[in-house]
Amino acid sequence: SQQGEEDPQALSIQEGENATMNCSYKTSINNLQWYRQNSGRGLVHLILIRSNEREKHSGRLRVTLDTSKKSSSLLITASRAADTASYFCATDKRETSGSRLTFGEGTQLTVNP
Amino acid sequence: DTGVSQNPRHKITKRGQNVTFRCDPISEHNRLYWYRQTLGQGPEFLTYFQNEAQLEKSRLLSDRFSAERPKGSFSTLEIQRTEQGDSAMYLCASSLGGPQGKFSSQHFGDGTRLSIL
Repeated sequence: SQQGEEDPQALSIQEGENATMNCSYKTSINNLQWYRQNSGRGLVHLILIRSNEREKHSGRLRVTLDTSKKSSSLLITASRAADTASYFCATDKRETSGSRLTFGEGTQLTVNP
Repeated sequence: DTGVSQNPRHKITKRGQNVTFRCDPISEHNRLYWYRQTLGQGPEFLTYFQNEAQLEKSRLLSDRFSAERPKGSFSTLEIQRTEQGDSAMYLCASSLGGPQGKFSSQHFGDGTRLSIL
């Protein structure tokens, strides 16, 4: 079963607004990663946050990690139509370090122009 | 292009046929992973290699599935006697393992979409 669970499952916003997606997980992790997937394509790595980090920025992306609550959030600021995609969180669990990523079911983000 | 390359992009076959997919990872990456993704779901782990050694297999990988990475470079995933339930996107990813491997992100190819008629 999937460990990560994203919410919301679907999010529709207007261009220029911020989009926030959340992810929860169940076991101890080495790191948590966010990926984007455009329809019919592979996954594109966005950002990796280590278990000892609390916040990370990359361009318009901001990721937070709360290991006490086993949750993470991805914020996309000043969204663009090109940000329309599915977003997945994935955890590298401590017990299977480096051998696999466990993905959630994703959030489908639609940014309307 | 130095990304992960997968071939073919699409494969349509009749139930019961065998199919083989190929993945060429990023050249300096020693770890290679296979995932399966069905519509509306996140990818699910199938198996992974460190160099030519297959180190872990998911319970999803039935005995009809076999993966190889003979020289520690490209990998193939074969499905024998395909079934309707095998229809999915098969994704390959690679990463750099080693002491810092747990902080290395996985880079994905565009996948092979398999449709079983």
